[in-house]
Amino acid sequence: RKEVEQDPGPFNVPEGATVAFNCTYSNSASQSFFWYRQDCRKEPKLLMSVYSSGNEDGRFTAQLNRASQYISLLIRDSKLSDSATYLCVVNILNTDKLIFGTGTRLQVFP
Amino acid sequence: NAGVTQTPKFRVLKTGQSMTLLCAQDMNHEYMYWYRQDPGMGLRLIHYSVGEGTTAKGEVPDGYNVSRLKKQNFLLGLESAAPSQTSVYFCASSYTTFDRFLDEQYFGPGTRLTVT
Repeated sequence: RKEVEQDPGPFNVPEGATVAFNCTYSNSASQSFFWYRQDCRKEPKLLMSVYSSGNEDGRFTAQLNRASQYISLLIRDSKLSDSATYLCVVNILNTDKLIFGTGTRLQVFP
Repeated sequence: NAGVTQTPKFRVLKTGQSMTLLCAQDMNHEYMYWYRQDPGMGLRLIHYSVGEGTTAKGEVPDGYNVSRLKKQNFLLGLESAAPSQTSVYFCASSYTTFDRFLDEQYFGPGTRLTVT
């Protein structure tokens, strides 16, 4: 079983739609959680960290469910510029590494 | 600030040739990482370093060597390139807190390597 699993998509949604991605992680010692965004042929960049209480940044909302070991990302009012691959990322306690999911591809169409 | 830079951006090698990829960061980060990214495989950690003079193996270290002689530089070497090493290579760096919570990783623009 992969340590971090995501639905690869693609998710094809119209502008203005709301879309949600889920990610599951297998190691209960995971301590830090992130969503990264990667545009085609570019490097990954941090979209947002995920906190236990949930957090929101504009149109983006991230949630963490430790009991079920999953993380979610909700994007409201999708824009064409949101088209990208979204990577779920986890840091396990007392390791110096991040574990990346394989990513979920989002395509927003006009 | 330039952030994280990588050289070269593109390279084509013949099987058996060697090369070194250079990563440099100007953010005074302690931690640096080398990843490879292949279609359907996501980012896989090759080697990493938690400080000057230290290195450690990641998930896929075979066929690669690294060195961190200076805090700002992290070199990735391929001694004898193989077609299986055709990939996009990303370098990253980050802070960490005193209790080893990893902060945001900043990535370089990547090196596209083809081995024929």
